[in-house]
Amino acid sequence: EVQLVESGGGLVQPGRSLRLSCAASGFTFDDYAMHWVRQAPGKGLEWVSGISWNSGSIGYADSVKGRFTISRDNAKNSLYLQMNSLRAEDTALYYCAKAGGIQLWSAFDYWGQGTLVTVSS
Amino acid sequence: QSALTQPPSVSGSPGQSVTISCTGTSSDVGSYNRVSWYQQPPGTAPKLMIYEVSNRPSGVPDRFSGSKSGNTASLTISGLQAEDEADYYCSSYTSSSPWVFGGGTKLTVL
Repeated sequence: EVQLVESGGGLVQPGRSLRLSCAASGFTFDDYAMHWVRQAPGKGLEWVSGISWNSGSIGYADSVKGRFTISRDNAKNSLYLQMNSLRAEDTALYYCAKAGGIQLWSAFDYWGQGTLVTVSS
Repeated sequence: QSALTQPPSVSGSPGQSVTISCTGTSSDVGSYNRVSWYQQPPGTAPKLMIYEVSNRPSGVPDRFSGSKSGNTASLTISGLQAEDEADYYCSSYTSSSPWVFGGGTKLTVL
């Protein structure tokens, strides 16, 4: 059974940093691209960032480019999102999502339950 | 990257069919057969319902179908059931940032 478990969320002040993690199990992690998708309270889904199976292709939404960094450790079956210079508008539930293939263009076939990030002073 | 355009809400009675549209541009929906649809009941994580315009993952009922014409993709749910009530999101691969979502559509089963 595919499982994706996010962690690392919490309350953080504007301008500070936070690192999210996603522990994956139930599939061969390095056979698939992975993504982060967020959802602000009461709002829709927003794709944040994605990384191919071997980290060779990486993409970011314009809203986080230059502030967020996605990475993965295939030996640890883990996905990460380093978030710097956080803003109030980054407040959201952050989902880890598995892609259906090795590259970024495959749909997101499994999702975690999310970790909540709140940016506030 | 602008979000794809979906109607805010649609509704239908049990047994009826409803269609949710998703309008993009020639840089996303119009150029790629990488349109997917997600179902999100309240308080839960999204679930993939359709990928690559019209393909259903294993376990998704065949009442759910997808199509595309030009810059607009559509999700049709036939034989509506109470359990179909949820928010639905479309998503497309794009020529700029890899993925963009629609604003979401709330489906109400009357």
